[in-house]
Amino acid sequence: GEEVAQTPKHLVRGEGQKAKLYCAPIKGHSYVFWYQQVLKNEFKFLISFQNENVFDETGMPKERFSAKCLPNSPCSLEIQATKLEDSAVYFCASSQSGVGGGAGQPQHFGDGTRLSIL
Amino acid sequence: KNQVEQSPQSLIILEGKNCTLQCNYTVSPFSNLRWYKQDTGRGPVSLTIMTFSENTKSNGRYTATLDADTKQSSLHITASQLSDSASYICVVSALGPSGTYKYIFGTGTRLKVLA
Repeated sequence: GEEVAQTPKHLVRGEGQKAKLYCAPIKGHSYVFWYQQVLKNEFKFLISFQNENVFDETGMPKERFSAKCLPNSPCSLEIQATKLEDSAVYFCASSQSGVGGGAGQPQHFGDGTRLSIL
Repeated sequence: KNQVEQSPQSLIILEGKNCTLQCNYTVSPFSNLRWYKQDTGRGPVSLTIMTFSENTKSNGRYTATLDADTKQSSLHITASQLSDSASYICVVSALGPSGTYKYIFGTGTRLKVLA
């Protein structure tokens, strides 16, 4: 598709439950990025993929967060044993190029999934 | 520490007026600087991308400038419209401690355009 599609738009979970978010990147984009935005503040980088391979996972809280980008499937971000502090909007972005020297290509963002932990 | 600071935090202007948003960064080494517009409830949309060798780049009524020596960028909006009401985010690409480039996001400037 021509847009990054994130589902669901809203997700409500009780503390301790699992949450799974999905992202379909723009067709032909090799790179996928996940970000967390808390209370409309700055974007916190979580993880990036080059095709189905993890490119950079230095932002991931590995104890409870995991992510995948499998061929012919939407990418996913899963949070186990959710905590109140996980409440945020999670954005996915895709790009034709990764983060590197030079200008690069723009990131195209989805509209996010709002995760509320009660 | 790599940081991107934006000012002002928020701004209110009247329709038709011009405004300038500021972005200062301490990122080094620097690869490129991007401005995004984020409407309420939506994801950010790219406005401009500049490398360190570019001084200015325009996209319609949006003009971004970059001074790599002083590590400052600005986004100038001409003849503002109600639809310009949004958050504007400055993003800098920098080499991280792990040896890979990362995007460093500013906290944004919230612009409100009044009729």
